[in-house]
Amino acid sequence: DTAVSQTPKYLVTQMGNDKSIKCEQNLGHDTMYWYKQDSKKFLKIMFSYNNKELIINETVPNRFSPKSPDKAHLNLHINSLELGDSAVYFCASSQDGYRDRSNNEQFFGPGTRLTVL
Amino acid sequence: AQKITQTQPGMFVQEKEAVTLDCTYDTSDPSYGLFWYKQPSSGEMIFLIYQGSYDQQNATEGRYSLNFQKARKSANLVISASQLGDSAMYFCAMREGPRGNTPLVFGKGTRLSVIA
Repeated sequence: DTAVSQTPKYLVTQMGNDKSIKCEQNLGHDTMYWYKQDSKKFLKIMFSYNNKELIINETVPNRFSPKSPDKAHLNLHINSLELGDSAVYFCASSQDGYRDRSNNEQFFGPGTRLTVL
Repeated sequence: AQKITQTQPGMFVQEKEAVTLDCTYDTSDPSYGLFWYKQPSSGEMIFLIYQGSYDQQNATEGRYSLNFQKARKSANLVISASQLGDSAMYFCAMREGPRGNTPLVFGKGTRLSVIA
């Protein structure tokens, strides 16, 4: 029973292509996120969605467009891929709530390793 | 300024020994949460332990404990009785504010190597 799943796990593509990464969570969480982990292993938030609405959009190029068809899914579409987009992309989810330990853990997907050639 | 600082890029520990991974944080929000995640070479992010800013006691989860010193703004992870399988990257992270829907801010990580 996978809590947060992502597809594909690996993605190798040429510069200039458009690609999508899909994410699904079966935890009933309200909030979903996309994080990027660079080659130095640094993790940084890209987007977060709460109940299908975008609530955080960090300084990410507009070639990246998240889409949330429902609160269980948050997909990431990337246009005109560049070499610098090569990274591991993690989807995560959490439950909205106030200061309750059970609402605080963020569950991460297995990651998608994107390689742009 | 960095919100989460992990000053140890790499650490070595002998099997069965205890090890402390350092984490300091910076926030002006009185309500926040601190997390530790483990990332083995396989790449997944594994949640280890959580400490809320209002929690009176230090969090413990099995062999993991969090040494929370609020005045010093530190949240060190202690792993007791290290095992070979503990070799991994360890990330300290913070969620600012009281709600569970705020993204995490991560430190740069510490790579722990357990030696037999």
